[in-house]
Amino acid sequence: ETGVTQSPTHLIKTRGQQVTLRCSSQSGHNTVSWYQQALGQGPQFIFQYYREEENGRGNFPPRFSGLQFPNYSSELNVNALELDDSALYLCASSRTGDGKETQYFGPGTRLLVL
Amino acid sequence: DQQVKQNSPSLSVQEGRISILNCDYTNSMFDYFLWYKKYPAEGPTFLISISSIKDKNEDGRFTVFLNKSAKHLSLHIVPSQPGDSAVYFCAARIMNTGNQFYFGTGTSLTVIP
Repeated sequence: ETGVTQSPTHLIKTRGQQVTLRCSSQSGHNTVSWYQQALGQGPQFIFQYYREEENGRGNFPPRFSGLQFPNYSSELNVNALELDDSALYLCASSRTGDGKETQYFGPGTRLLVL
Repeated sequence: DQQVKQNSPSLSVQEGRISILNCDYTNSMFDYFLWYKKYPAEGPTFLISISSIKDKNEDGRFTVFLNKSAKHLSLHIVPSQPGDSAVYFCAARIMNTGNQFYFGTGTSLTVIP
């Protein structure tokens, strides 16, 4: 069984740039959630994708957007990067419909905005 | 607005003893709770979960207790092992809102050999 993978592992960008982060979900999972984890904090929910559509969104501005593909992989796009966007971005996959829907996390992408 | 709180940033325990990690929440609509363990440079790893219809769930050395009236969750690890040293997060989900989980800020557990 293949776990959740994310790419790249690390990324450095400058303020105002755009970034795309990628996630491959675990085999058998159909739902992908994205989280932002700032230093010393717990993960904060950004949004979730199910059946290629956004299925819930946290308190993040529209410059955070995403996609889910037919193979259930997903992208997180952030436009007009700000210094405060520096964080660990975590992707989690789950299977909607099994009742409990435990989320399984990838290793994360660490983004630094200068 | 932190709906899930872990008030102890760190905990040290001797190997073989019990580790108790605590979590408090404010939203009575939470229906499903999970504990994750996180090592540096890795994503959180699922440990154990509990539904709001239960008050205890056990899996090997790990037991989660839920006290709904107190809005309190705890994770017991017994016996504690040095490999248990990691940051532990509790997370909760609001019923009927899809799959959005709210996380605490984490407790760093150190098990001393």
